[in-house]
Amino acid sequence: EPEVTQTPSHQVTQMGQEVILRCVPISNHLYFYWYRQILGQKVEFLVSFYNNEISEKSEIFDDQFSVERPDGSNFTLKIRSTKLEDSAMYFCASSLGLDRFTDTQYFGPGTRLTVL
Amino acid sequence: QKEVEQNSGPLSVPEGAIASLNCTYSDRGSQSFFWYRQYSGKSPELIMSIYSNGDKEDGRFTAQLNKASQYVSLLIRDSQPSDSATYLCAVSSGATNKLIFGTGTLLAVQP
Repeated sequence: EPEVTQTPSHQVTQMGQEVILRCVPISNHLYFYWYRQILGQKVEFLVSFYNNEISEKSEIFDDQFSVERPDGSNFTLKIRSTKLEDSAMYFCASSLGLDRFTDTQYFGPGTRLTVL
Repeated sequence: QKEVEQNSGPLSVPEGAIASLNCTYSDRGSQSFFWYRQYSGKSPELIMSIYSNGDKEDGRFTAQLNKASQYVSLLIRDSQPSDSATYLCAVSSGATNKLIFGTGTLLAVQP
């Protein structure tokens, strides 16, 4: 069964460093998403991406964040200058995007980002 | 601010019992509703989706939707210890169907 994959599973970085989190969505899916979950808190929407551009972003997704689809398979989230409060699990999700009302998102296993 | 509310639990049920999980949402225009299961340290895993008022059954799981009351529930019949997890209610919102999640209900099934 096709699944969303993410690498790395765990990333440790120093405050102020740039990190790139990678995702390979399910191959025939058209919509891609990033969510994050700070330990003990709810899953929060960051950004959605369709047709090679951001379609919606949350207040969390400020100028420190960017997303890119550099080729036909990868979807990346870049954090330019990490802060301690960026420590969280980051989940990539994808969906077919063919029917707005029944569209279902499937989540990758996540990347645990630890900022020291 | 669109919200999804869940009782954080823990909800403790004995093995073989019915577990009932509830969720309310604030956006009356929401059309699509999902239940995800999340084991500790893992990603959300889709359990059920529901789009119309009424019940939807899939194996031991039944989702119930009442749009007038802005209420979604999940029933788990014949609960098993392996069902012990956090159950996340999610509502799709906006043009891109982003998901708004509740805080989740921790379910503990006692052997």
